[in-house]
Amino acid sequence: GAVVSQHPSWVICKSGTSVKIECRSLDFQATTMFWYRQFPKQSLMLMATSNEGSKATYEQGVEKDKFLINHASLTLSTLTVTSAHPEDSSFYICSALGELQRGPYGYTFGSGTRLTVV
Amino acid sequence: DAKTTQPPSMDCAEGRAANLPCNHSTISGNEYVYWYRQIHSQGPQYIIHGLKNNETNEMASLIITEDRKSSTLILPHATLRDTAVYYCIGDNQAGTALIFGKGTTLSVSS
Repeated sequence: GAVVSQHPSWVICKSGTSVKIECRSLDFQATTMFWYRQFPKQSLMLMATSNEGSKATYEQGVEKDKFLINHASLTLSTLTVTSAHPEDSSFYICSALGELQRGPYGYTFGSGTRLTVV
Repeated sequence: DAKTTQPPSMDCAEGRAANLPCNHSTISGNEYVYWYRQIHSQGPQYIIHGLKNNETNEMASLIITEDRKSSTLILPHATLRDTAVYYCIGDNQAGTALIFGKGTTLSVSS
C-alpha cells in the first residue's frame, strides 16, 4: 500500500530558530499534500493544502509567512516553521493524495513530527 | 462536507465488541462515510468506508442506516491495541482535505 514518510519524528529547537519537516510519498506520486497541526488532547486541524508546483493554500488563521510550505516535486513536501516560539510546539502531520487515488485509500498519513520549542 | 457528531468517549472490555456511533444527518448523496483512528502520537490510520451498504473488512464492520443519517463502526473483538481516538468523517471524494472532528476516545481494558 501507499506509504508516506515524515521526518523527523521529533525535534527540539530553540526559540527564534527555524525547523523544517519533510513529508515524502515513497511509492506513489502525490499531487496534493495536506499539513495538519494537533495540540494535546485536541483533534487534527488543517493548516494548508499544497499542490505540486503551485503555492500552498492556507486555512484561515494560519500565517503563511511563518509556516512555509514547499511542494517542489511529486514526492516531497516540506513545512518550515520559521522563527519558532514555544506556542508553535505541537504535533505536525502530513497527508498525501495521489492523482490516481481517490476516496479513503488515497489519503495516506505520515507518522507525525513532535515539535518542541524551548 | 457533512458535519459529524460522535460521543467523546467510550469504554469496552477486551474481547467484547466495540460499537462506535456517529451521526451525520447533513450528509449528502455523494458523500462517503470514512472511519479513521489515531493511536497516541501517531498519524491517523484508515479503517473502513462506506456509501450506502454495510461494509466489512479485516479490521471492522460499518453499519449505515438506510437514511444515511448515522452509522456505527463495529470492532468485533476489541483488544488493548484498539485503544485510540476514532474519527468519523464525511467526504465527497473531491480531493480536498479530510476534516477531523473531535472523535471518540475508545478505551479498551482487560
